[in-house]
Amino acid sequence: DQQVKQNSPSLSVQEGRISILNCDYTNSMFDYFLWYKKYPAEGPTFLISISSIKDKNEDGRFTVFLNKSAKHLSLHIVPSQPGDSAVYFCAASPLYNQGGKLIFGQGTELSVKP
Amino acid sequence: GAVVSQHPSWVICKSGTSVKIECRSLDFQATTMFWYRQFPKQSLMLMATSNEGSKATYEQGVEKDKFLINHASLTLSTLTVTSAHPEDSSFYICSARDLRTSGGQFAQYFGPGTRLLVL
Repeated sequence: DQQVKQNSPSLSVQEGRISILNCDYTNSMFDYFLWYKKYPAEGPTFLISISSIKDKNEDGRFTVFLNKSAKHLSLHIVPSQPGDSAVYFCAASPLYNQGGKLIFGQGTELSVKP
Repeated sequence: GAVVSQHPSWVICKSGTSVKIECRSLDFQATTMFWYRQFPKQSLMLMATSNEGSKATYEQGVEKDKFLINHASLTLSTLTVTSAHPEDSSFYICSARDLRTSGGQFAQYFGPGTRLLVL
């Protein structure tokens, strides 16, 4: 039972354009969401998070949007840079339950071409 | 930012031996650490939650006697893969929860991972 889904395994974007990575979840108990960036053979790096009381959080080139009614979140990267090429995981957590454990999506591999 | 280290970064062992992997939070205290494994091209699967001073909480389907977890201090958790077999070969990643962030928010910071190959 995949509670967090990233339906696009890969995405290719031109440098300077916007990258939009999508994530859907099924568990209405999730109330905190995070995006991580991962290179091969390395641990994930935290990028940005959002709690369920907000619908948008912005940090530099990264913006996360949350649509609770649709159980959908997205990560926007603008402008995209070649160094952004990596696998991006979204993760969800029932913040106030179960010790804050994270449930990860399958990941989307982003390729930013010069 | 918060730094989490893992040791060793990779290990090759014979089937039947036990392997210990260490996870350390270097510049913060972590009452809770998490252990994940990742198969190639797949997501990170949570194995267990490690709590300082108490028993770990294992996810469904994870054998607690196979994957021994000890959280001896606020900066160290260890995962021991006992009697390892080739199917245990995987990429094991730990994370530590940093409670210092404000506003009730938190983030987990991940170690660089340990590649285990069981022959």
